[in-house]
Amino acid sequence: SQQGEEDPQALSIQEGENATMNCSYKTSINNLQWYRQNSGRGLVHLILIRSNEREKHSGRLRVTLDTSKKSSSLLITASRAADTASYFCATDEEGSARQLTFGSGTQLTVLP
Amino acid sequence: DTEVTQTPKHLVMGMTNKKSLKCEQHMGHRAMYWYKQKAKKPPELMFVYSYEKLSINESVPSRFSPECPNSSLLNLHLHALQPEDSALYLCASSQDPGQYNEQFFGPGTRLTVL
Repeated sequence: SQQGEEDPQALSIQEGENATMNCSYKTSINNLQWYRQNSGRGLVHLILIRSNEREKHSGRLRVTLDTSKKSSSLLITASRAADTASYFCATDEEGSARQLTFGSGTQLTVLP
Repeated sequence: DTEVTQTPKHLVMGMTNKKSLKCEQHMGHRAMYWYKQKAKKPPELMFVYSYEKLSINESVPSRFSPECPNSSLLNLHLHALQPEDSALYLCASSQDPGQYNEQFFGPGTRLTVL
């Protein structure tokens, strides 16, 4: 079953701008992860944030987690055309036998 | 080797055919997964193998039959599929089923059922 919703569903920006995507979920989690998927390809793991962490950075990526609001955001700074892809959040729910449940995804288009 | 490989890349089959999808990883991961993904939708979990034993079967129809011959290989046997089963089938693996669960995905098999 789908755990969370992401917004926006689609986002179009110019190269060099920042992109922010949001994810909301419903249950208690162990961690939240973000994945990228280029069209028709497999998913690539970007970053994992644990339930006791509030912010994490990896290169041009910044992820925040607010467990009180059951929400997370992914910020991509200084976007590039190569960042064009679908972005999914995925939650590792408490008591879920370590399976991931994916959000609905955000389609990001970065225009050159 | 940090790759999950899947074969074939594309598969077209009729509703009476029997075919198999294959997935392989050599990262020593002990959990392997099959997902189904329809266009513009998130992946949906189908099966989880933990230490080569089926641990989760998400109410998938019996026309899909998973098999884990060893810790590196995962198969998905297909029989009497329906056109609505056309989708991208993704295999993934993760290091330890009991720990935090970063998953490594293969490129997928694009399945078309005629």
